[in-house]
Amino acid sequence: EVQLVESGGGLVQPGRSLRLSCAASGFTFDDYAMHWVRQAPGKGLEWVSGINWNSDRIGYADSVKGRFTISRDNAKNSLYLQMNSLRAEDTALYYCARGRGSGIAAADDYWGQGTLVTVSS
Amino acid sequence: QSALTQPPSASGSPGQSVTISCTGTSSDVGNYKYVSWYQQHPGRAPKLTIYEVSERPSGVPDRFSGSKSGNTASLTVSGLQAEDEADYYCSSYAGSNNMLFGGGTKLTVL
Repeated sequence: EVQLVESGGGLVQPGRSLRLSCAASGFTFDDYAMHWVRQAPGKGLEWVSGINWNSDRIGYADSVKGRFTISRDNAKNSLYLQMNSLRAEDTALYYCARGRGSGIAAADDYWGQGTLVTVSS
Repeated sequence: QSALTQPPSASGSPGQSVTISCTGTSSDVGNYKYVSWYQQHPGRAPKLTIYEVSERPSGVPDRFSGSKSGNTASLTVSGLQAEDEADYYCSSYAGSNNMLFGGGTKLTVL
């Protein structure tokens, strides 16, 4: 059974950093691209970042470019999102999602339950 | 990177059909087969409903279908059922390792 479990969310002050993790199980992790997608309270989905199977293709939404860094450790079946210079508008539920294939373009067929990030003083 | 455009709401009676549109540009929806649709019930994670414009994942009823014409993709739900009431989001690859979502459409079953 495919499982994606996010962790690392919490309350953080503006300007500080936070690192999210996503532990994957139930599939061959390095066969698939992975994504972070967020959803602000009461709002729609926003793609944040994606990484292909071997980390040589990475993309970011303009809203987080230069502040967030996605990475993966295929040996540990884990996906990460380093979030720096956090802003109030980064407050959201952050989902980890698996792409249907090894490239970033494919749809996300499995999603975690999300980890909540709240940026507030 | 501008979000794809979806109507904020749609509705239909049980048994009817409803179509939700998703308008992008020639740089995203119009240029790639990687258009997908997600269903999200309140408090739940999104669920992939359609991928690559018109493909259905295993387990998704054939009442759900997708299509694309030019820069606009569409999701049609036929034979509406109460459990289809949810938010629906379209997504498209936009090139250069970027993805876009639509703003979402709240589907109400009357």
